[in-house]
Amino acid sequence: EPEVTQTPSHQVTQMGQEVILRCVPISNHLYFYWYRQILGQKVEFLVSFYNNEISEKSEIFDDQFSVERPDGSNFTLKIRSTKLEDSAMYFCASKLSQETQYFGPGTRLLVL
Amino acid sequence: QKEVEQNSGPLSVPEGAIASLNCTYSDRGSQSFFWYRQYSGKSPELIMSIYSNGDKEDGRFTAQLNKASQYVSLLIRDSQPSDSATYLCAVAPGSGAGSYQLTFGKGTKLSVIP
Repeated sequence: EPEVTQTPSHQVTQMGQEVILRCVPISNHLYFYWYRQILGQKVEFLVSFYNNEISEKSEIFDDQFSVERPDGSNFTLKIRSTKLEDSAMYFCASKLSQETQYFGPGTRLLVL
Repeated sequence: QKEVEQNSGPLSVPEGAIASLNCTYSDRGSQSFFWYRQYSGKSPELIMSIYSNGDKEDGRFTAQLNKASQYVSLLIRDSQPSDSATYLCAVAPGSGAGSYQLTFGKGTKLSVIP
């Protein structure tokens, strides 16, 4: 069964460093998403991406964040200068069209 | 601000019983409703989606939607210890094609006691 994959599974970084989180959505899916979940809190929407551009973004997704689909398979989230409060689990999700969103296993980011 | 509210629990039920999970949402324009299951440290896993008022059954799971009351519920029949997890309610502003973001509740933690 096709699934969304994410790398790395864990990332530890120093405050102020740049991180890139990688996702490979399900191959025929068209819509791509990033969500995050701070420990003990709810899953929060960051950004959606369709047809090679951002469709929607939340207030969390400020100038420090960017997304890219550099080739036909990868979908990346970049955080330019990490802050302590960026520590969270980051989930990538994708959907085909009318179906529901399927989530990847997540990347646990720890900013020290 | 779109809100999705759930009782955080924990909800404890004995094995074999029915577990009832509830969710209310604030955006009356919401069109799609989902229940995800999340084990500790893992990603959300889709259990059910529902788009129309009424009940939708899938195996041991039944989702119920009442748009007038802005209320969604999930019933789990014959609960098993493996059902112990946090159940997330999520809503989206549209249905069909479109990059509709999901708004999640904080989740209800279910514990099924053997």
